[in-house]
Amino acid sequence: GESVGLHLPTLSVQEGDNSIINCAYSNSASDYFIWYKQESGKGPQFIIDIRSNMDKRQGQRVTVLLNKTVKHLSLQIAATQPGDSAVYFCAENVYSSASKIIFGSGTRLSIRP
Amino acid sequence: EADIYQTPRYLVIGTGKKITLECSQTMGHDKMYWYQQDPGMELHLIHYSYGVNSTEKGDLSSESTVSRIRTEHFPLTLESARPSHTSQYLCASMSRTGAYTFGSGTRLTVV
Repeated sequence: GESVGLHLPTLSVQEGDNSIINCAYSNSASDYFIWYKQESGKGPQFIIDIRSNMDKRQGQRVTVLLNKTVKHLSLQIAATQPGDSAVYFCAENVYSSASKIIFGSGTRLSIRP
Repeated sequence: EADIYQTPRYLVIGTGKKITLECSQTMGHDKMYWYQQDPGMELHLIHYSYGVNSTEKGDLSSESTVSRIRTEHFPLTLESARPSHTSQYLCASMSRTGAYTFGSGTRLTVV
């Protein structure tokens, strides 16, 4: 089929190192942000979310940082493992009037052994 | 355990055939969505629904149609499949928090 859009940027990381995936969001009114992980052949899976009243949130091996001043979101993965190989999408929404999530273009994370 | 189900998982079909991709969710979510995604590419919204009898076209033009007769069911139909329809189709529903839950997708190949 005809492909639409851009190929995703790739981040290559050594196994065991920390990964940082960055995302710039577009809507100043967005107050809810989500990171999704999509493995090959599967649908995107929820990883972690953060609301705009926070600037940092931690999960298991993952941390999301939010900088509202420059509309920037990042996902940090500690001690990257082969199972972390996937495409990572950031997403934004306006919580009070949640209608459609706006997805970022995505970043492909590959792990070097 | 997935609360949103898509069938079939894979489909290979001839040009000109009519197909329906099924999507069902058990979470009682009002808002549901269909995305089209080529391998290694971005997600493109093609249809969405805010509830029963509500359907809207998404950001990417699509020859497919959808219906929403029941809250839990949001099927997508292609009246006459063409090779250009070859892609992965992802269904999602939105929770009250504003996050999506996605199905596993249907990978469609039209030959």
